Amino acid sequence: AQTVTQSQPEMSVQEAETVTLSCTYDTSESDYYLFWYKQPPSRQMILVIRQEAYKQQNATENRFSVNFQKAAKSFSLKISDSQLGDAAMYFCAYRQQGAQKLVFGQGTRLTINP
Amino acid sequence: DAGITQSPRYKITETGRQVTLMCHQTWSHSYMFWYRQDLGHGLRLIYYSAAADITDKGEVPDGYVVSRSKTENFPLTLESATRSQTSVYFCASSETSGSQETQYFGPGTRLLVL
Repeated sequence: AQTVTQSQPEMSVQEAETVTLSCTYDTSESDYYLFWYKQPPSRQMILVIRQEAYKQQNATENRFSVNFQKAAKSFSLKISDSQLGDAAMYFCAYRQQGAQKLVFGQGTRLTINP
Repeated sequence: DAGITQSPRYKITETGRQVTLMCHQTWSHSYMFWYRQDLGHGLRLIYYSAAADITDKGEVPDGYVVSRSKTENFPLTLESATRSQTSVYFCASSETSGSQETQYFGPGTRLLVL
């Protein structure tokens, strides 16, 4: 069974600085998708970024980018120019190609210090 | 565009009672999902549905029942609530065509079982 591990329960960063959240996963599949979701205090789950495993290029969405290392099964999220509104729980998730189920990591709570 | 909604948003019930959590989506997505979120576990899949009248178990299905008579609705029933079912419940939906495979989440239902 696939597993997703986020080894950092909590992280903090100064406003305007850069922070990287770690995620590793375990799978025997070669085709899959990886996601980062943000959960602010409102509890809404918001998609931040997604990466297709067959793409070598790292996904980027404005201030959010990923470092996808397929051989190492690592999928970290980098947030540049951190803003107060970035404070939230961040979840890494995996989905196998052809399947619909998401497997989530335990989450990382990100605090932004003004 | 309402997207995906859940009701009620908050529910308090007693052990042994039947509780139904509602989920409605306006996108006509084929797939719908129910997750529960507990501290230290991230989100775990309870049940999912590929289409009307097609449902399947997820990681933690015991104690739950689902149905999908209409594409847009996916209710989750706790037939006899237990304290261990105190959690936050998220409904999600996704479409499968092309690249539209991202799951979109509802706002969540916070359930307390006394």
